[in-house]
Amino acid sequence: EIVMTQSPATLSVSPGDRATLSCRASQSINSNLAWYQQKPGQPPRLLIFGASTRATDIPARFSGSGSGTDFTLTISSLQSEDFAVYYCQQCHNWPLTFGGGTKVEAK
Amino acid sequence: EVQVLESGGGLVQPGESLRLSCAASGFTFSAYAMRWVRQAPGKGLEWVSAISGSGGTTQYADSVKGRFTISRDNSKNTVYLQMNSLRADDTAVYYCTKGNSGLYMDVWGQGTTVTVSS
Repeated sequence: EIVMTQSPATLSVSPGDRATLSCRASQSINSNLAWYQQKPGQPPRLLIFGASTRATDIPARFSGSGSGTDFTLTISSLQSEDFAVYYCQQCHNWPLTFGGGTKVEAK
Repeated sequence: EVQVLESGGGLVQPGESLRLSCAASGFTFSAYAMRWVRQAPGKGLEWVSAISGSGGTTQYADSVKGRFTISRDNSKNTVYLQMNSLRADDTAVYYCTKGNSGLYMDVWGQGTTVTVSS
């Protein structure tokens, strides 16, 4: 099983700041990584797939990068609606596994 | 509009069974894999099970293998999750998700809550 590790667990930022979230896989997953955003009481929403491709209707301030074992989700200028928990998921093989999440909260 | 809608959650006692359903609309159902993901209270996401578009291939997390069975009825655009021998640690919100050519989930339902408690 591929273990996904996200850091930091909590990120305190102000609106307008740049936010950088990290995700590491326990073995190479090429570019087979997805990112999701989850707000309280809502289901997750797909943000990024293929490590760097934005999903439909996702704003350009969200970008993904990385390959192999190290990946990054960047929110270039954080908006108030971006405070949420973000999960990465490896899409490389079974079983599918998620990271533990990064909570982006207001500073 | 592409959407999936779960139903069937509830409160059951340990050892009992429950069947979840997920009705899909807005896409060619038989062309897509479907997957279940769960989230225990206050915890992260855990993939549970997946089924191919034809229903011929299924996958399970080790934590549910032998107890849960995924199936689908393409004539009804519905996927099911039969959950037997339920345990307290199966308590979670269960999300139905649409698969795609990659192993990610591009459409999520609102979830249905399963609580296993005596």
